[in-house]
Amino acid sequence: EAGVAQSPRYKIIEKRQSVAFWCNPISGHATLYWYQQILGQGPKLLIQFQNNGVVDDSQLPKDRFSAERLKGVDSTLKIQPAKLEDSAVYLCASSLGSARNEQFFGPGTRLTVL
Amino acid sequence: AQKVTQAQTEISVVEKEDVTLDCVYETRDTTYYLFWYKQPPSGELVFLIRRNSFDEQNEISGRYSWNFQKSTSSFNFTITASQVVDSAVYFCALRIYQTGANNLFFGTGTRLTVIP
Repeated sequence: EAGVAQSPRYKIIEKRQSVAFWCNPISGHATLYWYQQILGQGPKLLIQFQNNGVVDDSQLPKDRFSAERLKGVDSTLKIQPAKLEDSAVYLCASSLGSARNEQFFGPGTRLTVL
Repeated sequence: AQKVTQAQTEISVVEKEDVTLDCVYETRDTTYYLFWYKQPPSGELVFLIRRNSFDEQNEISGRYSWNFQKSTSSFNFTITASQVVDSAVYFCALRIYQTGANNLFFGTGTRLTVIP
C-alpha cells in the first residue's frame, strides 16, 4: 500500500516570496491533515479536512496561509508571503477519519525562509 | 485544554540497555486516545501504538512495551535491549474524542541515541 506522498521534500525561499506544498493521501482516507513542525518541537495542526471540507483551521494563520483539497483527494498548502518564522517542516497526514484511527504521515517538506 | 509533557529532551544509552521514555498528559475529557510515534532521521513519523482511555492494560510488542496509568496521567514507553536502529525522536500524543475534529496534541519529543 502506498503511503502519504509529499512534494517537494525541500524548499528554500526568501522572505516575502510565495511557496506551495502538495500532498497525496493514502487511497481511501477521507481525512487529511497539515501539521507544522518547528525544529525541536512536536508537530502542530494547521488544518484538517474531511473529504473536501474544512473541519478545523483554528491554528492556521489565515492572513498568509491557505489550503485546499480539491475533489477530496490531493491537497495543497500555500504560504504567501513567507516570513522567517515559517521555516519548519510541513507534514501531511491522512486517516480513515474517526478519532480512534491512527494518522499516517508523509515524509514532510522542509522549508527554509531566508 | 489538552497538554502532553515529555520532560526528557535527550537520552543516550549504550546498545542492549533498557530505556524508558516518559509521557505525562493533561485533559479534562474522560474519553481520549494516546499515541506514540517514532521520527527517525528521515523525518517521517511512524505510528507505534494507540491506547484508549478505558483500556489500562499494558501492552508488549517485541522489544517495546507501554505502561498506561490513568491515576498518574502517564503513558510511558520502554524499549528493552535497545539497538542502534532505535535511535530517533519519539513523540507522545493525545487526541480527545470529539466528533469531526481529530487533532493530535504532540509533546515536544524525546531524542533517543543508542550508542553501539
